[in-house]
Amino acid sequence: QSALTQPPSVSGSPGQSVTISCTGTSSDVGSYNRVSWYQQPPGTAPKLMIYEVSNRPSGVPDRFSGSKSGNTASLTISGLQAEDEADYYCSSYTSSSTWVFGGGTKLTVL
Amino acid sequence: QVQLVQSGAEVKKPGASVKVSCKASGYSFTTYAISWVRQAPGQGLEWMGWISGNSGNYAQKLQGRVTMTTDTSTSTAYMELRGLRSDDTAVYYCARDGTYLDPWGQGTLVTVSS
Repeated sequence: QSALTQPPSVSGSPGQSVTISCTGTSSDVGSYNRVSWYQQPPGTAPKLMIYEVSNRPSGVPDRFSGSKSGNTASLTISGLQAEDEADYYCSSYTSSSTWVFGGGTKLTVL
Repeated sequence: QVQLVQSGAEVKKPGASVKVSCKASGYSFTTYAISWVRQAPGQGLEWMGWISGNSGNYAQKLQGRVTMTTDTSTSTAYMELRGLRSDDTAVYYCARDGTYLDPWGQGTLVTVSS
């Protein structure tokens, strides 16, 4: 199972919006709504930010939103804040009953 | 609250085995699977497998070297990795597995060095 494809890095200024893409195949992202996004600041465990494509867990700001079209999922962060700077990973369930992660995207808040 | 607490850091020699534990609390342990994910230094997340009762599924690249088990009497999951190599050096995480992975344990650093 190949990793999902994410851009290595994205950046934006405070208050701006950024979108991180996550491209898979018809065997994972394209076939399941079990797509989730995780935030990982340096030295910490991943934290769930979006589940089932577009749902936010309790406590996650509504600045974070998710969507999916075909084999590509996206995470959009609006109104960027300094505290959003972290690595972000997408994940999808697959037709082999496994999970697959993206390679990760480093978000820099300028 | 739902919480997963992992065992402490390990240092192992190449060829040895390591067994990491993950104790769950705050929910019905048998209702969810546990997934294991590892992260090598400076690298991304790699899914290793999931376990639920007597059922499980492992990543193809680890088949034959990894075994995941659970002890329902103590709500604890275990991940054993055999034949350790230097590229197994990583932080190993457990996570509650439903339709997403949440929450995650604090991570266990496993260092493989001669």
